Amino acid sequence: SAVISQKPSRDICQRGTSLTIQCQVDSQVTMMFWYRQQPGQSLTLIATANQGSEATYESGFVIDKFPISRPNLTFSTLTVSNMSPEDSSIYLCSGKTPNTGELFFGEGSRLTVL
Amino acid sequence: QKEVEQDPGPLSVPEGAIVSLNCTYSNSAFQYFMWYRQYSRKGPELLMYTYSSGNKEDGRFTAQVDKSSKYISLFIRDSQPSDSATYLCASSGNTGKLIFGQGTTLQVKP
Repeated sequence: SAVISQKPSRDICQRGTSLTIQCQVDSQVTMMFWYRQQPGQSLTLIATANQGSEATYESGFVIDKFPISRPNLTFSTLTVSNMSPEDSSIYLCSGKTPNTGELFFGEGSRLTVL
Repeated sequence: QKEVEQDPGPLSVPEGAIVSLNCTYSNSAFQYFMWYRQYSRKGPELLMYTYSSGNKEDGRFTAQVDKSSKYISLFIRDSQPSDSATYLCASSGNTGKLIFGQGTTLQVKP
């Protein structure tokens, strides 16, 4: 199984600021995704992080608010821009392994916006 | 209608009971089915992964997929207090995008 590390694990931020979350996987994955889990809710896909090109965003999520980079196969970042209290959530990075297609998750980054 | 539906519970059972967790899905193109366990303040941990219909067993856990009825199940035998967590079902087609159910909160009482 892939080991996925995220940082920061948690942060408290002020309204209007931006935060970048980093995700590192220990082995090459075919696809990387970013999910959001709001309090008491399930996981919602934000976007697919594409290596060397623009991410593919799901309905309701836009690049200006959630810019994503993936410069190589094992690293990706998600930025939450111009934060508001509604952005308080857990942000999860995930990677899909090439052989089995299983999807593994990091521990998540718990973000609180005041 | 959500693409993956799951009863959020909570579900409370005594230690040693057999637990049955269920989901339904609506997209006929879904071929990959997964169950995740999520402890409080932790990321989801992959428990079971199934491709297409059939059963898969791993220790005390059995995953079942019935594509004809679009029904996904996870059975936990001899449940333990350490099994207390939220269980998430998820499905995807060839795009690789996983769609998650709402999650069922399980409590196993000693």
